[in-house]
Amino acid sequence: GENVEQHPSTLSVQEGDSAVIKCTYSDSASNYFPWYKQELGKRPQLIIDIRSNVGEKKDQRIAVTLNKTAKHFSLHITETQPEDSAVYFCAASEARRVFKTIFGAGTRLFVKA
Amino acid sequence: GAGVSQSPSNKVTEKGKDVELRCDPISGHTALYWYRQSLGQGLEFLIYFQGNSAPDKSGLPSDRFSAERTGGSVSTLTIQRTQQEDSAVYLCASSLAQGNTEAFFGQGTRLTVV
Repeated sequence: GENVEQHPSTLSVQEGDSAVIKCTYSDSASNYFPWYKQELGKRPQLIIDIRSNVGEKKDQRIAVTLNKTAKHFSLHITETQPEDSAVYFCAASEARRVFKTIFGAGTRLFVKA
Repeated sequence: GAGVSQSPSNKVTEKGKDVELRCDPISGHTALYWYRQSLGQGLEFLIYFQGNSAPDKSGLPSDRFSAERTGGSVSTLTIQRTQQEDSAVYLCASSLAQGNTEAFFGQGTRLTVV
């Protein structure tokens, strides 16, 4: 089945700097790649997603890139702010008989003021 | 309801007892997932329901774990003979169609086995 690797597991940046989180997936048939943000004690919530028919998508300070050939995708956060501090999960949707979303292990992002 | 609802929000049980965790998905969502999140860890896939198809149970860690979804809506995750290592937050999520759309999570059930 699908396997999603995510790194780094922890990332600490200074406020205003950029943060990059990278993920790889194993199933070349996967075609949907969402990113979720989980603040402390709260439920994961979708922040951005990308489908396999595009290579990049941006939403204000957040962007995601996808390299289908290499089977990896990345989250880029620019001009980081303390409220960006959270755990970020990448995921890939496995495209077999039915679709199933598999998550990476998560990246704990600390933004220092 | 406005979102995915899980109950109870917290459950403390004695080792060896059975527990049932409930998930009410968003109305009309045909896909439903259960994930387990241990303290500070990632989201471990447990089971996936899609419409009337047979569920994907490939993530269930042992035969003490089972889940069902009645009428394509409410789902119950049952853990029999609970062990301390079952302590975690159990998250339910639902999505509108097949798995390649946004998943909406419930607030989770924090299970503590003592």
